[in-house]
Amino acid sequence: GDSVTQMEGPVTLSEEAFLTINCTYTATGYPSLFWYVQYPGEGLQLLLKATKADDKGSNKGFEATYRKETTSFHLEKGSVQVSDSAVYFCALNSNYQLIWGAGTKLIIKP
Amino acid sequence: GAVVSQHPSWVICKSGTSVKIECRSLDFQATTMFWYRQFPKQSLMLMATSNEGSKATYEQGVEKDKFLINHASLTLSTLTVTSAHPEDSSFYICSARLAGFGGELFFGEGSRLTVL
Repeated sequence: GDSVTQMEGPVTLSEEAFLTINCTYTATGYPSLFWYVQYPGEGLQLLLKATKADDKGSNKGFEATYRKETTSFHLEKGSVQVSDSAVYFCALNSNYQLIWGAGTKLIIKP
Repeated sequence: GAVVSQHPSWVICKSGTSVKIECRSLDFQATTMFWYRQFPKQSLMLMATSNEGSKATYEQGVEKDKFLINHASLTLSTLTVTSAHPEDSSFYICSARLAGFGGELFFGEGSRLTVL
């Protein structure tokens, strides 16, 4: 069945470092891909999404490109801030339900 | 964007009591809502799919008699944890699907349940 694989965390970076969180997927057809973020003590928020191959989703300085050839949707940010510390979930839409990655905890140190 | 509201955000209850959590879509109608549970340091686990006007579909391993789900209207789904026990303590999140938007889901803020 469909699945999403994320890099394991926690990922610890210094402020202003470059961030990449890897996400790969397996799916039949052409799913939509999402990144969700969960800040400490809060619910999930949609961070960005891409609905077809080569689409780039972007929000709050984060970007991810839908790569069909490598079945990937890696999350990137050029310069992270302490406020970006959170858990990030990669997900794909399959039959109107979301298939989740395990989540990657990101810790940014000042 | 569309807003989904959960209530309560925090609830503490005694073992053996029942707790109801509400999930409302505030500015759209949601024919389908989903309930998730999040364990510490783990990803979300889909508990059940709630369809307006019909019985919920539970995922394997989820006790339907313990986690009662009702979706009586297009804007409200409720999750009732019956006879709660400490192991039911968790973070419960609902989401609602916006019809016609390729499956995008909007999430509630989550409800943290602590059973003493």
